[in-house]
Amino acid sequence: SAVISQKPSRDICQRGTSLTIQCQVDSQVTMMFWYRQQPGQSLTLIATANQGSEATYESGFVIDKFPISRPNLTFSTLTVSNMSPEDSSIYLCSVEVASTDTQYFGPGTRLTVL
Amino acid sequence: TQLLEQSPQFLSIQEGENLTVYCNSSSVFSSLQWYRQEPGEGPVLLVTVVTGGEVKKLKRLTFQFGDARKDSSLHITAAQPGDTGLYLCAGGSNDYKLSFGAGTTVTVRA
Repeated sequence: SAVISQKPSRDICQRGTSLTIQCQVDSQVTMMFWYRQQPGQSLTLIATANQGSEATYESGFVIDKFPISRPNLTFSTLTVSNMSPEDSSIYLCSVEVASTDTQYFGPGTRLTVL
Repeated sequence: TQLLEQSPQFLSIQEGENLTVYCNSSSVFSSLQWYRQEPGEGPVLLVTVVTGGEVKKLKRLTFQFGDARKDSSLHITAAQPGDTGLYLCAGGSNDYKLSFGAGTTVTVRA
């Protein structure tokens, strides 16, 4: 398994500002992912954070809005840029543990945009 | 996008009763994972099944992966209030991405 922490755990932000969310893992992992969970809904994959290269974004998500960094095998950041109330969600990072076909999730960051 | 349909969407039962949650798809998955999520927290992994026809038991929880690896079920025996939460199934593919079902909100009343 893997132990994952996220910062901040929650934040309230003003429209038009940006927030960077950090994800730290207790071991080196190849695959890291960022998800969004809108109120009362399931998880939607935003992007795969690749170490040493640009993130791979899913349909409907773009780098200008959700820039991602992956400087090493234990850390990643997701920035939510130029926020609007529609960005109010829980943002979750997860890691794929090699040879287990399993993803483990962080506790999430609850974002409210006013 | 591979779609997973979960049913029912909501389930409210009395403590001590049994319940079953279903997860169905027209797509074949390399693995199937079940998570439970409580309010304000991230999803917590319950089980991963990878072999068609596989059955895994964890205390009062029984998980089954369909023979064709397109569907799965979660059965809870003698449910307790601590079983309350959002149950999510997720199908894995060869590119390591997960496709999530919409979730089943389970409420167990004391």
